[in-house]
Amino acid sequence: QVQLVQSGAEVKEPGASIKVSCKTSGFTFSAHYLHWVRQAPGQGLEWMGWINPFNGGTRYAQKFHGRVTMTSDTSTTTVYMDLTSLTSDDTALYFCARESNFGAGWFYWGQGTLVTVSS
Amino acid sequence: DILLTQSPGTLSLSPGEGATLSCRASQSVSSNYLAWFQQKVGQAPRLLIYGASSRATGTPDRFSGSGSGTDFTLTISRLEPEDFAMYYCQQYGSSPYTFGQGTKLEIK
Repeated sequence: QVQLVQSGAEVKEPGASIKVSCKTSGFTFSAHYLHWVRQAPGQGLEWMGWINPFNGGTRYAQKFHGRVTMTSDTSTTTVYMDLTSLTSDDTALYFCARESNFGAGWFYWGQGTLVTVSS
Repeated sequence: DILLTQSPGTLSLSPGEGATLSCRASQSVSSNYLAWFQQKVGQAPRLLIYGASSRATGTPDRFSGSGSGTDFTLTISRLEPEDFAMYYCQQYGSSPYTFGQGTKLEIK
């Protein structure tokens, strides 16, 4: 069965960086784009970008340009999201999600990783 | 960017009643790639509807999606206790992919 398992919660100081992992299984890794979405406490969902594990291609939301890097490792079928220069505004629950083919939406999601930015 | 505006912000209803949630896009959604998600506190979003009107696997048939272009609706025919949650629409037809601000469906 399809699974997306994310790394555990982290606490970071302002100015630090974070790297969140999303270990996938149960499907052909190179066949599906993977997205990152975040949700600040009590707020809505915000798309951050996607990565194409087939060729490592990426596309980021303009808001995160220069601060976010998404990578993939085909040997471990894991995708990563790096976010630098953290501020308190980056405190959020971060999710990875798998895009289905043929426009069938994003059915599979990771469990979320809570990132807290605090001094 | 496509702005999605959901209404109402909060909907107070009783189990057994019907619910209608609206999502309006600032421009036409490409290929009607409009999805509806249900989210409960502390959980990942759950895909209910994709392509504006197709039920995702496991979505009960009391949930239905309709609409095209810029106006979309999620209808829940008879509310069950487990349906009270946050609901988000999302357009995934053109980047940047965007979400509405959400509708909170609460028990009256």
